[in-house]
Amino acid sequence: DVLMTQSPLSLPVTPGEPASISCRSNESLLFSNGNNYLDWYVQKPGQSPQLLIYLGSNRASGVPDRFSGSGSGTDFTLKISRVEAEDVGVYYCMQAVRALITFGQGTRLEIK
Amino acid sequence: QVQLVESGGGVVQPGRSLRLSCAASEFTFSTSVMHWVRQAPGKGLEWVAVMPSDGPNKYYADSVKGRFTISRDTSKNTLYLQMNSLRVDDTAVYYCAREGTGIHALDIWGQGTLVTVS
Repeated sequence: DVLMTQSPLSLPVTPGEPASISCRSNESLLFSNGNNYLDWYVQKPGQSPQLLIYLGSNRASGVPDRFSGSGSGTDFTLKISRVEAEDVGVYYCMQAVRALITFGQGTRLEIK
Repeated sequence: QVQLVESGGGVVQPGRSLRLSCAASEFTFSTSVMHWVRQAPGKGLEWVAVMPSDGPNKYYADSVKGRFTISRDTSKNTLYLQMNSLRVDDTAVYYCAREGTGIHALDIWGQGTLVTVS
């Protein structure tokens, strides 16, 4: 299975400040079509997960532009340009390059 | 609106079986790739199984392979997860999710149904 490793696991952030989460895989997520099969999700308290970023860098419908995804191959980053109180939750990366999908451990973002 | 609604969770003894259902609405269920993902209490997300839109290629996490079976009934717009030989560590909220066309990401999630094996 593809191992996904996120860091940090806990991320306290002051509102208005930027935040960054790293996700690394133990094999390349770059598919032969040039797409990176890496997605980002957030699970807000008491809610189901929701898609933020797909194929490494594409914002899902309705996702604010303060969220951005970057990276290729084995190293990926989710950035929030200015954290808001509503961004509290657990952020997960997920690889879909293999049929057996795997998630990162999750990064808990909290407001200072 | 586009939605997925899971049902069928509950409390079950170890070794017994349970079948979960996921009703889809307001999208073309028959051509959608569908997944089950679970989350043990206080833990992260664990992918469980995938049902292709067509063809026989279903895949399962190693932790459930040989015990769980994913299936669908397109006439009822419903996805299923048959869970046999349940274990205490299968206790989790089970979510069904749709894979968005061409994006290899889970763009629609249900609210989840809790399975407790005890």
